[in-house]
Amino acid sequence: KNQVEQSPQSLIILEGKNCTLQCNYTVSPFSNLRWYKQDTGRGPVSLTIMTFSENTKSNRRYTATLDADTKQSSLHITASQLSDSASYICVVSARDSNYQLIWGAGTKLIIKP
Amino acid sequence: GAVVSQHPSWVICKSGTSVKIECRSLDFQATTMFWYRQFPKQSLMLMATSNEGSKATYEQGVEKDKFLINHASLTLSTLTVTSAHPEDSSFYICSAREDQGSRNEQFFGPGTRLTVL
Repeated sequence: KNQVEQSPQSLIILEGKNCTLQCNYTVSPFSNLRWYKQDTGRGPVSLTIMTFSENTKSNRRYTATLDADTKQSSLHITASQLSDSASYICVVSARDSNYQLIWGAGTKLIIKP
Repeated sequence: GAVVSQHPSWVICKSGTSVKIECRSLDFQATTMFWYRQFPKQSLMLMATSNEGSKATYEQGVEKDKFLINHASLTLSTLTVTSAHPEDSSFYICSAREDQGSRNEQFFGPGTRLTVL
């Protein structure tokens, strides 16, 4: 069964600190993995998209890693800011006829001043 | 580029009325659009896949007669919630897949908050 699991479910850190969010998946055949940021009451915004051959990808203070062998991904946020408070969702695209998206439940990140 | 808009951003209606939500891709063509629903503290749930010029494909458990989808052009899809009831209150989000895109990337709209009284 295609699944995406994220941890932790929620996380509270102080402004300026770093944090790492985890994503494990069992999706086959694999197409790509995406990390989205969703602010409360808004649609998701793409942070990164990673294909099978990409191990690390950075976007400003966000760095995503992908280990296709262990089917794990992480999202590292550096020097957190108050505006980073949001839900971070890991989504895996299956390479099937409709490129189905398998959604994780998300990690709720709260940055405190 | 790759902006998707939704209208309205929020709507409050009485039980039994119908509500139409529009999803537009502003600067690209999208043969395929998707409609999602999100309940509080939950992730997005795919409701249906909307294809320009043909019937939408609905996920299991989603009533096609209740959630009418019309994808009349390459930049517009509409979702009509017919005879809305309080249990239909939710956050509805659309996304559009760029026809010329290389990674099957979906771009999401800002969402529509529906409250049925």
